[in-house]
Amino acid sequence: GIQVEQSPPDLILQEGANSTLRCNFSDSVNNLQWFHQNPWGQLINLFYIPSGTKQNGRLSATTVATERYSLLYISSSQTTDSGVYFCAGDPSNTGKLIFGQGTTLQVKP
Amino acid sequence: GAVVSQHPSRVICKSGTSVKIECRSLDFQATTMFWYRQFPKKSLMLMATSNEGSKATYEQGVEKDKFLINHASLTLSTLTVTSAHPEDSSFYICSATQEFLYEQYFGPGTRLTVT
Repeated sequence: GIQVEQSPPDLILQEGANSTLRCNFSDSVNNLQWFHQNPWGQLINLFYIPSGTKQNGRLSATTVATERYSLLYISSSQTTDSGVYFCAGDPSNTGKLIFGQGTTLQVKP
Repeated sequence: GAVVSQHPSRVICKSGTSVKIECRSLDFQATTMFWYRQFPKKSLMLMATSNEGSKATYEQGVEKDKFLINHASLTLSTLTVTSAHPEDSSFYICSATQEFLYEQYFGPGTRLTVT
């Protein structure tokens, strides 16, 4: 089956720093999404980004579908950005999402 | 944005009993709902896909007789863990999509502990 690789697995930042999270897919995917899982387990939708670039405040994401990767940029990080970031894609275009293993981000004050 | 709720948020049950978890789309009609399972410090694993009015389709390795899924309306899907055992303890999360749209919205999850 398809492999979804996220890097780095863990990241520690000082408040105010910028970071880039990466998601690589072993095969083509549709309906790529980025999520932030908060400490209570809730998955928060960050981006639905099958291709192209989107921005939302301090966050932006870019997906290059032809090269099977996506990037999530976090600028001016805040302590509330801490948590696990997941990317997920749909290889069969049926809505079934395959998740990466996540990047655990800790932002220190 | 679209809101999905789950109930209960956490449940503790004894081994051998059954537990029902509800997943509701609050402000949209969900033609498809998905059920995931997440172990501590691990990623989400898709268990099954649920379409309103039809039988759920299960992923390989998921026992359909143990994890009963019912999608009775466009806003409600339920997952029943039957004859629960300690190894069924996990975080169960549902998601929902609207017709012709593929962005999934997730519920807050249900933490099941089987003693």
